[in-house]
Amino acid sequence: KQEVTQIPAALSVPEGENLVLNCSFTDSAIYNLQWFRQDPGKGLTSLLLIQSSQREQTSGRLNASLDKSSGRSTLYIAASQPGDSATYLCAVRPETSGSRLTFGEGTQLTVNP
Amino acid sequence: DVKVTQSSRYLVKRTGEKVFLECVQDMDHENMFWYRQDPGLGLRLIYFSYDVKMKEKGDIPEGYSVSREKKERFSLILESASTNQTSMYLCASSLYVGYSTNEKLFFGSGTQLSVL
Repeated sequence: KQEVTQIPAALSVPEGENLVLNCSFTDSAIYNLQWFRQDPGKGLTSLLLIQSSQREQTSGRLNASLDKSSGRSTLYIAASQPGDSATYLCAVRPETSGSRLTFGEGTQLTVNP
Repeated sequence: DVKVTQSSRYLVKRTGEKVFLECVQDMDHENMFWYRQDPGLGLRLIYFSYDVKMKEKGDIPEGYSVSREKKERFSLILESASTNQTSMYLCASSLYVGYSTNEKLFFGSGTQLSVL
């Protein structure tokens, strides 16, 4: 059974710092990996989707990488801002689960002014 | 952009009541999902629908049922609400593209349900 782990569970950084969030998964047979952002009490917003054949995707100050063989993905946030404070979740779409995703529990990020 | 709309942001219900949570998507997606999210337990799939009138149980279907009479609308029903169903409920949808690697999930803004 696919399992997704995100470490650390919480992270606090000063504004302006570059940071990396980690996501690992146990089964490399995936179609894609998606990173989401969740603000308190709100739904999830999709940030980036990396297809299984891709190594990375970029959107603005965000860069997500995928190493399928080692079961790892990272989300790199450049020049962090207080507005980046949120919970970041990763999810994989296993090849054996159709359209269902398996989610990590998220990393709660706080960027201090 | 895809819009997934959940009818209520907050709901307060009493134990034993029948509760309906509604979700509508505007992009003709085949797949629709209901999740609940609880601190320390993450997101858990309740039910999944891959077409009109088609449904599949998720990881925690007990105490819930669903209805999908039209493609754009997916309802979650709590037949007799209990206090342990107090939670954040999230609806999501995706366009089915077979074995494509490009299938993306879109979420609504969530319904925080309190059962007293």
